Amino acid sequence: RKEVEQDPGPFNVPEGATVAFNCTYSNSASQSFFWYRQDCRKEPKLLMSVYSSGNEDGRFTAQLNRASQYISLLIRDSKLSDSATYLCVLNRDDKIIFGKGTRLHILP
Amino acid sequence: EPEVTQTPSHQVTQMGQEVILRCVPISNHLYFYWYRQILGQKVEFLVSFYNNEISEKSEIFDDQFSVERPDGSNFTLKIRSTKLEDSAMYFCASSDSGGLAGSSYNEQFFGPGTRLTVL
Repeated sequence: RKEVEQDPGPFNVPEGATVAFNCTYSNSASQSFFWYRQDCRKEPKLLMSVYSSGNEDGRFTAQLNRASQYISLLIRDSKLSDSATYLCVLNRDDKIIFGKGTRLHILP
Repeated sequence: EPEVTQTPSHQVTQMGQEVILRCVPISNHLYFYWYRQILGQKVEFLVSFYNNEISEKSEIFDDQFSVERPDGSNFTLKIRSTKLEDSAMYFCASSDSGGLAGSSYNEQFFGPGTRLTVL
């Protein structure tokens, strides 16, 4: 089983819609969790950290469920500029482990 | 805004040749990393570096790979004898603190990457 699993997509979503991404992880020793975004042929950039209590940053909401080993990202009122690949990332023992990512296309 | 820079942006080499990929991390950062991303695949951790030594490395980072901080600003990744399967995008990253067990993770800032093509 992969350490970090994500639906590869692509998700094709009309502008203004709400979209949700899920991610599961297999190692319960994972310590910290993040969502990164990666534009085509560009470097990954941190979108937000994910906390157990859930956290929100503008249109973005992240949730962590340690019992189910599950992380989610919700994007509300999606914009064309949200089109990218969203990477689920965790930190364990000084290693950063990336999921393969979910591709999102926002349609005008 | 400070940023991580990498050179060259694209490196083409013959199989068996040595390559050195260069990175200039953000100036006050203390932790440095190399990742690779094979086309269409996920980003993979290679190595982390702190206080002039490797702090963690992955199974990918075998004897063909080495890292160095030759001066106060550069951080390099050397591949001694490149193989076809080394073709990938190589990202350097830096942070002002490390993701040590039990500590909070500080954001890693990624450079734009070097695309390595091995022929």
